[in-house]
Amino acid sequence: DGGITQSPKYLFRKEGQNVTLSCEQNLNHDAMYWYRQDPGQGLRLIYYSQIVNDFQKGDIAEGYSVSREKKESFPLTVTSAQKNPTAFYLCASQFAGVGEQFFGPGTRLTVL
Amino acid sequence: AQSVTQLGSHVSVSEGALVLLRCNYSSSVPPYLFWYVQYPNQGLQLLLKYTTGATLVKGINGFEAEFKKSETSFHLTKPSAHMSDAAEYFCAVSAGGATNKLIFGTGTLLAVQP
Repeated sequence: DGGITQSPKYLFRKEGQNVTLSCEQNLNHDAMYWYRQDPGQGLRLIYYSQIVNDFQKGDIAEGYSVSREKKESFPLTVTSAQKNPTAFYLCASQFAGVGEQFFGPGTRLTVL
Repeated sequence: AQSVTQLGSHVSVSEGALVLLRCNYSSSVPPYLFWYVQYPNQGLQLLLKYTTGATLVKGINGFEAEFKKSETSFHLTKPSAHMSDAAEYFCAVSAGGATNKLIFGTGTLLAVQP
C-alpha cells in the first residue's frame, strides 16, 4: 500500500532532550512538509523540502531541524531550543507542481 | 500574499440537517483550493479540491463545494449531516509562486447532534 508513515504515534520527552520524529513515504513524491498543530491554531509550517538534499524554513522553524538525504524520508528533530514542543506533528508529501498534500497519521509529542 | 479565513471555529448541526462550512480566500493568482477533514488524533484526509474547470466540486462522503471567484469563497456543504461527519475541517489555498506550499485556515470543528 502506498502512503505516508510517521513514528512513533506517541512520544514523551524530558526537558532538555532532543527527539527525532520519523516520516517516510512510498508515493514517489518530490516535496515533503512538517507541520505543527496546536488547538485552535490550525496547521503551522515548520520546514519543507522540494527536492533531495534541499529544504527551507517555514513559519516556525526555530528550535527544529530536518534533513532530506533520501526522497522517501524527511525526519524532524525537535531540539532543546524549542521552548514549547508539546504538540501534534504532521508530515505531508506532494507531487511536484501545485496539488494536494497527502498526510501521515501524526505524532503526538509531550514534554514531561 | 495568499490567505484563508474560515468563519466559525465551531459549528453545530442536527443529524439530517444541512452542513455549511464557510471559507474565504485571498490570492493574487488563480487559486487552487482544498478542503480536508481531520478526525481526532489522526492526519488530514482530502475531501475535495478545485483546480480549474467546473466550479462545483464533488468530494467524498457526500460533500461538495462551489468556487465563487466574485465572492472569493469556497464554502463546503452537505445536504444531510450524519453523526460520522463530526470532525474538524480545514480549508486551504495554494501559496502560488515557485513553491507548492498550501496555506491552511484555522479549522472549523463540526459537531452533529442526534
